[in-house]
Amino acid sequence: GQNIDQPTEMTATEGAIVQINCTYQTSGFNGLFWYQQHAGEAPTFLSYNVLDGLEEKGRFSSFLSRSKGYSYLLLKELQMKDSASYLCAVRDSNYQLIWGAGTKLIIKP
Amino acid sequence: IAGITQAPTSQILAAGRRMTLRCTQDMRHNAMYWYRQDLGLGLRLIHYSNTAGTTGKGEVPDGYSVSRANTDDFPLTLASAVPSQTSVYFCASSGTSGSTGELFFGEGSRLTVL
Repeated sequence: GQNIDQPTEMTATEGAIVQINCTYQTSGFNGLFWYQQHAGEAPTFLSYNVLDGLEEKGRFSSFLSRSKGYSYLLLKELQMKDSASYLCAVRDSNYQLIWGAGTKLIIKP
Repeated sequence: IAGITQAPTSQILAAGRRMTLRCTQDMRHNAMYWYRQDLGLGLRLIHYSNTAGTTGKGEVPDGYSVSRANTDDFPLTLASAVPSQTSVYFCASSGTSGSTGELFFGEGSRLTVL
């Protein structure tokens, strides 16, 4: 079966750095996405990786290792507004998205 | 810029009633999707449409139907609602030209079936 694993919840301190991991087992691979979802709101696109390596976008970076079936989302200089759920999703060989259950990130002052 | 509009935003429904959730996009995206999101579970695909006039079943299609008469609209119908269909429903769309194919989501429709 297809599976995406990510931690259920993480806590970090304002101003710090946090890394949210995602491991996947899917039928084929055509890209990995990270989305941010604030409570009661819709998910919004953060990043996309299709090749191995690090993609940096401001305070957020996303890393992919296809051979390990592994990705992480790195958030730097954490702000209170970063409190949200972070969803990992993999596009499989049929170009369908397989979603993880999301990681709820709690930022403390 | 509207993007994707869903209606209603919230609804309480008696079991056995018929309900249609509306979804309209103005981005001229070919592909559209309906997901449900339940606590502790990932987004689960109900139905999708790769282009106007075509639809397909997702992971959890039972009890739901969709139609795609034109590019902009993609309504989701619950023919006879049951309590297990209590959930938050998200409509999404994606383009293909010059993009990664990321999804753009509507604000969601919170449905409670009693």
